[in-house]
Amino acid sequence: AQKVTQAQTEISVVEKEDVTLDCVYETRDTTYYLFWYKQPPSGELVFLIRRNSFDEQNEISGRYSWNFQKSTSSFNFTITASQVVDSAVYFCALSEAKTGTASKLTFGTGTRLQVTL
Amino acid sequence: DTAVSQTPKYLVTQMGNDKSIKCEQNLGHDTMYWYKQDSKKFLKIMFSYNNKELIINETVPNRFSPKSPDKAHLNLHINSLELGDSAVYFCASSHGRGGAGELFFGEGSRLTVL
Repeated sequence: AQKVTQAQTEISVVEKEDVTLDCVYETRDTTYYLFWYKQPPSGELVFLIRRNSFDEQNEISGRYSWNFQKSTSSFNFTITASQVVDSAVYFCALSEAKTGTASKLTFGTGTRLQVTL
Repeated sequence: DTAVSQTPKYLVTQMGNDKSIKCEQNLGHDTMYWYKQDSKKFLKIMFSYNNKELIINETVPNRFSPKSPDKAHLNLHINSLELGDSAVYFCASSHGRGGAGELFFGEGSRLTVL
């Protein structure tokens, strides 16, 4: 069975600090996909990134970066120079590759990030 | 133009009633989903349809019945509502890519059962 663990329930930082959100996953599949979603206070779920299990290259998008390490089953997310607008709940999710056409995402419990001035 | 739209956004109803939530996507995706987010923010898949065919049906009480009239629409009907059904229900869509397709979510429908 798949499992995603986000051990950090809540993180508070001051604006401009860097912050890393941890994600550890479990799966028996060799092919799988990892995702990060953002849920701001307004409630919608915003897709941030998808990574497949064969691509361990780190990715950077502006102030956001992701570190995927298969050896430790982790897919961590770093925000550099955090801003108040980054305040949200962030979800890590895992999808197995064998569910036919669907992406059956298993979500972690989320990490609430609070960025203050 | 909203990519995935759900109506209504808020639902307040009494126990025992029946209610429906509608969802439409204009992204051209062939796969649609219903997810439930409980009060602790935990997200769990309920159903998925691909081209009007049910392909994922998690252990959801049969009071919940999804219906997909076409690949752009997925509705959720709930009979005999219970207190525990109070949650935010998210509709989503994706390209069918064997698990790789990222999901695009609607804004959610907050259901409160009194």
